[in-house]
Amino acid sequence: SAVISQKPSRDICQRGTSLTIQCQVDSQVTMMFWYRQQPGQSLTLIATANQGSEATYESGFVIDKFPISRPNLTFSTLTVSNMSPEDSSIYLCSASSGRQAEAFFGQGTRLTVV
Amino acid sequence: TQLLEQSPQFLSIQEGENLTVYCNSSSVFSSLQWYRQEPGEGPVLLVTVVTGGEVKKLKRLTFQFGDARKDSSLHITAAQPGDTGLYLCASPGGGNKLTFGTGTQLKVEL
Repeated sequence: SAVISQKPSRDICQRGTSLTIQCQVDSQVTMMFWYRQQPGQSLTLIATANQGSEATYESGFVIDKFPISRPNLTFSTLTVSNMSPEDSSIYLCSASSGRQAEAFFGQGTRLTVV
Repeated sequence: TQLLEQSPQFLSIQEGENLTVYCNSSSVFSSLQWYRQEPGEGPVLLVTVVTGGEVKKLKRLTFQFGDARKDSSLHITAAQPGDTGLYLCASPGGGNKLTFGTGTQLKVEL
């Protein structure tokens, strides 16, 4: 298993600004991912954070809007750029290493853009 | 892209009742995971099922994987308020990416 620390846990931001979310894993993991979730709904994958290289984005998500870094095997950041109210959501970091891709999650960042 | 449909979408029951949540796909699962997410927290893995027909028990929770590996169910016996949360099924695909089901929001009231 892995313990994932994500911060901030919540923030209220002005439109047009950017927020960087940090994710720290307590052990080396193979894969790290970033998700977005509306309260009470399922998770949508934003991107796979690749160590030492550019992230792999899912359809509908682009690097200019959601730049991601992963400088080592235990740390990643997601930036939500030029925010608008539509970006208000819960952002979750996850990590996995197992053969069955079992995932461990941070507690999430609840973002409100005003 | 594999689609995982969960039913019901919402469920509100009284403490002590039993319930079943379903996860279905038109495609065969390589394996299937069930997660529970409580408010303000990330999803927590409950179980992984791998073999068709497999049944796993976790205290009052019973997980079953369909014989054809295209569906799964989660049965909770004598539900308690602590079971309240969002239940998600998920299946791994290429690149260790998980596809999550549509989710079942469960509320257990006293």
